[in-house]
Amino acid sequence: GQNIDQPTEMTATEGAIVQINCTYQTSGFNGLFWYQQHAGEAPTFLSYNVLDGLEEKGRFSSFLSRSKGYSYLLLKELQMKDSASYLCAVNRGSTLGRLYFGRGTQLTVWP
Amino acid sequence: DAGVIQSPRHEVTEMGQEVTLRCKPISGHNSLFWYRQTMMRGLELLIYFNNNVPIDDSGMPEDRFSAKMPNASFSTLKIQPSEPRDSAVYFCASSLGTGTENTEAFFGQGTRLTVV
Repeated sequence: GQNIDQPTEMTATEGAIVQINCTYQTSGFNGLFWYQQHAGEAPTFLSYNVLDGLEEKGRFSSFLSRSKGYSYLLLKELQMKDSASYLCAVNRGSTLGRLYFGRGTQLTVWP
Repeated sequence: DAGVIQSPRHEVTEMGQEVTLRCKPISGHNSLFWYRQTMMRGLELLIYFNNNVPIDDSGMPEDRFSAKMPNASFSTLKIQPSEPRDSAVYFCASSLGTGTENTEAFFGQGTRLTVV
């Protein structure tokens, strides 16, 4: 089975740094994705990790530890427009992967 | 490219009616996914196709749900008969995934289905 856990809600202020954690237990693993979803819109891709370590992309970074079944998304220099739901998704692998999504973390950025 | 295109954006229908959702993937993508999103269950994969062939439909909830991909540029998800519990946002996504490579999935804007 697949269990993907992330906090339901988080709040932070503009300019701050926030870390959104994701833990997973899955049979088969072939990478972890982070997506951003604004209310009423489609999820959009943020990052992908398949090896342990940190991937940095501008203000956003994502970390993976496969042995611990753990990932986090780090958002720096928060802006109001970063208020959104952040979805952690695990690719199970096999010939073609399928994504199992967590329930998402609703981030609210205050001025 | 215009991205993944879904229609309709909104659909309100009465219980028992047939509903057909449509999706046009990004040109050149060979994998297509149908997801359903609800507050209670989050984002769930219903079915995915590779090169127009259904690979895994284990997420399809019941026989009332069916999906087809007659060609590389078009897919449908049909619910017959529809029930109020089918109310959700249905997303179509496509990716250029080959073999064991992982490439990001691009999502359409979704169809918000309300069954009354």
